Amino acid sequence: DTAVSQTPKYLVTQMGNDKSIKCEQNLGHDTMYWYKQDSKKFLKIMFSYNNKELIINETVPNRFSPKSPDKAHLNLHINSLELGDSAVYFCASSQAYRGQYNEQFFGPGTRLTVL
Amino acid sequence: QKEVEQNSGPLSVPEGAIASLNCTYSDRGSQSFFWYRQYSGKSPELIMFIYSNGDKEDGRFTAQLNKASQYVSLLIRDSQPSDSATYLCAVTPKIIFGKGTRLHILP
Repeated sequence: DTAVSQTPKYLVTQMGNDKSIKCEQNLGHDTMYWYKQDSKKFLKIMFSYNNKELIINETVPNRFSPKSPDKAHLNLHINSLELGDSAVYFCASSQAYRGQYNEQFFGPGTRLTVL
Repeated sequence: QKEVEQNSGPLSVPEGAIASLNCTYSDRGSQSFFWYRQYSGKSPELIMFIYSNGDKEDGRFTAQLNKASQYVSLLIRDSQPSDSATYLCAVTPKIIFGKGTRLHILP
């Protein structure tokens, strides 16, 4: 299936732990994103990579570090997890065109719960 | 602070009627405008996008853009219970999503 996939789907962990979320897309897109959706359902962009280059880096704690080994993968590593990190994290991809960001395709989300 | 604003709802519309969802944005540099639908517990999925002033129709959906008024809307004709979801408005190139409008279609 052509899609954006994320692993794991659910992640429950203790405060202070370090965890990673993986994302892969086989749509041939050149741009990938990480979003955080909080309990109030507000979807906020965190990072974006275009051809493995970081192009969007919103104001997020430096405990969050994205890594893009190739343009089909964008992983998110989170150090020293805090209660406020509990949210659903969505990965997305799109094909940038003439500097614009075209429609994005979202992965199924990873529900992170920090206890 | 560049923002995208939507009425959070819920917006209740009888089945078969037209649902009208509105979105305003503050950044005059916004160039592309997107409507996503998100069912509870699922990921957002694209409904429509629009770049130019005017209307754009796709099946039961019509997107309307007025850049002078910084306003974009989504009309859903012949509303179905399956249209019940949260609708997110998004703008680019600075990627900002609105907080979404919850739409409830009454059978």
